[in-house]
Amino acid sequence: QKEVEQDPGPLSVPEGAIVSLNCTYSNSAFQYFMWYRQYSRKGPELLMYTYSSGNKEDGRFTAQVDKSSKYISLFIRDSQPSDSATYLCATSLMDSSYKLIFGSGTRLLVRP
Amino acid sequence: KAGVTQTPRYLIKTRGQQVTLSCSPISGHRSVSWYQQTPGQGLQFLFEYFSETQRNKGNFPGRFSGRQFSNSRSEMNVSTLELGDSALYLCASSLGGQGNYGYTFGSGTRLTVV
Repeated sequence: QKEVEQDPGPLSVPEGAIVSLNCTYSNSAFQYFMWYRQYSRKGPELLMYTYSSGNKEDGRFTAQVDKSSKYISLFIRDSQPSDSATYLCATSLMDSSYKLIFGSGTRLLVRP
Repeated sequence: KAGVTQTPRYLIKTRGQQVTLSCSPISGHRSVSWYQQTPGQGLQFLFEYFSETQRNKGNFPGRFSGRQFSNSRSEMNVSTLELGDSALYLCASSLGGQGNYGYTFGSGTRLTVV
């Protein structure tokens, strides 16, 4: 079993839709949670990060962490074709915060 | 502000050869991490360096090695290349402080082993 599970998709939505991306993880010791966006032929770009449980909002993006169910989510409001990319969740322990464990990524396609 | 620079962008090597990849971090960043990305395994942590010291290493064979120089630039080396080493190798840099998650990735080096 992988430490971080993520549905690979692809997920296809119409422009303007609310997108929900999710990951589950197995190790309750994970403390830091991140979402990265990766365009084709590019490296991952950090979108959001949160520490422990709770919500964090940044523009059209909201990240949620539910440690009780080991579930992390990223919501994208008013999705745009430019949001079409692969979204990767990542997590880390507190004592080795420089090692990220990634989900496999969800490919998102926003149709004009 | 220049981003993380990885060279070369593309590389084709023959099985059994060795390869060296280079990473120049963002100015002022002292931590450099390396990841391997493949369609089957996704992004996997190789190792992390801070002030020329390896602080953490992933579950890769000893054929994978790295180092960091005093100017924070880093190199990774893969010896005795195997077909399965074909992947996108990504470098990420950060300030390196505890709890700092400002990891910035480069565009990667795509290695093909034939």
